[in-house]
Amino acid sequence: AQSVTQPDIHITVSEGASLELRCNYSYGATPYLFWYVQSPGQGLQLLLKYFSGDTLVQGIKGFEAEFKRSQSSFNLRKPSVHWSDAAEYFCAVGGGGYQKVTFGTGTKLQVIP
Amino acid sequence: DVKVTQSSRYLVKRTGEKVFLECVQDMDHENMFWYRQDPGLGLRLIYFSYDVKMKEKGDIPEGYSVSREKKERFSLILESASTNQTSMYLCASSSGQNSYGYTFGSGTRLTVV
Repeated sequence: AQSVTQPDIHITVSEGASLELRCNYSYGATPYLFWYVQSPGQGLQLLLKYFSGDTLVQGIKGFEAEFKRSQSSFNLRKPSVHWSDAAEYFCAVGGGGYQKVTFGTGTKLQVIP
Repeated sequence: DVKVTQSSRYLVKRTGEKVFLECVQDMDHENMFWYRQDPGLGLRLIYFSYDVKMKEKGDIPEGYSVSREKKERFSLILESASTNQTSMYLCASSSGQNSYGYTFGSGTRLTVV
């Protein structure tokens, strides 16, 4: 069965510092991978997705993620965090066709001045 | 601006009541989904639909049913609400067989008392 692990429940970073959120997945074939962001009281917004090709993908709001097949990881990064990045971040994995998407349990990001 | 609209932002219902959660999308998407979101558990798929009048069970369908009479509308029904169904409910839609970028609604926070 497919699964996603986000090992960090909470992360606190200083504004302007770099950020890396970890995501490990389990999937039996080539995965489709996603990162979503959820601001307080809102639904989820897609940040970026990986299907194939270049393993470093760029997303919105200055985020990027790198697919590493050997480590079954898809970590999200941002070089310089802004206070508005404070939110909860979800990693997700799915397959081709009509196969469903499985979400991780989320990482809550706090940004301090 | 494309949208997924959930009819209620907050809802309080009594145990045993029949509850309807409505979701409408204006993007002509084929696929629609209902998730519930609970702290520490992430998003769990309740039901999904790939076409009008078509539905498939997700991971946690017990106690729920759905209806999709029109392409743009996907309703989640709690036949007899219970306190363990207190949660945030998120509706999402997507287009096509391999396009897994979901568009989410803002969510309905349901409290069953």
